[in-house]
Amino acid sequence: GAVVSQHPSWVICKSGTSVKIECRSLDFQATTMFWYRQFPKQSLMLMATSNEGSKATYEQGVEKDKFLINHASLTLSTLTVTSAHPEDSSFYICSASREGANNEQFFGPGTRLTVL
Amino acid sequence: LAKTTQPISMDSYEGQEVNITCSHNNIATNDYITWYQQFPSQGPRFIIQGYKTKVTNEVASLFIPADRKSSTLSLPRVSLSDTAVYYCLVGDVTTDSWGKLQFGAGTQVVVTP
Repeated sequence: GAVVSQHPSWVICKSGTSVKIECRSLDFQATTMFWYRQFPKQSLMLMATSNEGSKATYEQGVEKDKFLINHASLTLSTLTVTSAHPEDSSFYICSASREGANNEQFFGPGTRLTVL
Repeated sequence: LAKTTQPISMDSYEGQEVNITCSHNNIATNDYITWYQQFPSQGPRFIIQGYKTKVTNEVASLFIPADRKSSTLSLPRVSLSDTAVYYCLVGDVTTDSWGKLQFGAGTQVVVTP
């Protein structure tokens, strides 16, 4: 089946630093990937749509200068949390769809970000 | 995307059947119904998807009445490992915006021995 990976699986950083999270579709090409954020005991919230070769589309209320998204290739999208602060601590999840896969969205395993 | 309403939580014992009903009164003609499962600190996992009537796969069944304003996910003979949050999503899977999944609160299913 289609596999989506994320790296790192967890990261701890100091306040003010930037953190990059990678999302890769391992065995299929994804022209579009999606980034979600999930706080403890809450549901997933869509942050942005990552488009290969073009700018990302952000959901209302998500700061595009804070969360930089780069879709460098058909198998890689990156999310950079710039100048991270403790309130950015969350579980970040990406997803991608594979053509012909019954419209199934394949999710990555998530990245736990903790900002001290 | 149509809004969905699910019970917040459900408890069950091992071996029982668990049925989770999702309400989606504003479902559109082209919308499909999809269910995902999520374990703690993991990404959601696709369970099943349907448009009308009944769909069955190796892990679950999905029952959709004729008016499609609700749907029921049925998990047969649950085990402890089925303890998870289950999300019901409704949307037009044929459009490019399908991947912009809007997750509701989900249903926390707890299975005990």
